[in-house]
Amino acid sequence: DAGVTQSPTHLIKTRGQQVTLRCSPKSGHDTVSWYQQALGQGPQFIFQYYEEEERQRGNFPDRFSGHQFPNYSSELNVNALLLGDSALYLCASSPAGGPWDEQFFGPGTRLTVL
Amino acid sequence: KQEVTQIPAALSVPEGENLVLNCSFTDSAIYNLQWFRQDPGKGLTSLLLIQSSQREQTSGRLNASLDKSSGRSTLYIAASQPGDSATYLCAVPPHGSGNTGKLIFGQGTTLQVKP
Repeated sequence: DAGVTQSPTHLIKTRGQQVTLRCSPKSGHDTVSWYQQALGQGPQFIFQYYEEEERQRGNFPDRFSGHQFPNYSSELNVNALLLGDSALYLCASSPAGGPWDEQFFGPGTRLTVL
Repeated sequence: KQEVTQIPAALSVPEGENLVLNCSFTDSAIYNLQWFRQDPGKGLTSLLLIQSSQREQTSGRLNASLDKSSGRSTLYIAASQPGDSATYLCAVPPHGSGNTGKLIFGQGTTLQVKP
């Protein structure tokens, strides 16, 4: 049973560029959440997708956008990259995304903005 | 607004020692609390999930307790091993309408177990 997968593993971009990160949820899960983790900090919630719609959003600017596909996989897009966007981006999946559900995380994508 | 705190930020112990990691949260109205392990530069591995109606959960050498009234959870690690060295994070989904399981994390406790 494959767990949550993310691609790519590492990414280096320059300021002003755009980036797309990808996530496939754990088998049987239909809800995907994205988190940003700066070095030495706990993860911060970006947004959650369920039934191909953004269901909840954290305190992140509109430069951060996402998408969920019919197979429940998801993309995180970040436009006009800033140095401060350098972080580990984590994807989590759960069944139906309710607050009672255990959440499972992927290995993350390390984004470096130069 | 829910806030989660983990103290200490770092801990170093000799191998074989039993240890306790602490997690505090400001709003006792929680659905559950989840403990994670994170190795350097890696993703999060779920260790234990305690529902709000439960007092503790056990998995192998790990035992997590939950006291909602005092806003605290502890993760007990028995007979620590060098392989337990990692950062341990706790997280709660805040209560309120529209909540969909968004997690609020503490900053983590980085554990080093010395051989």
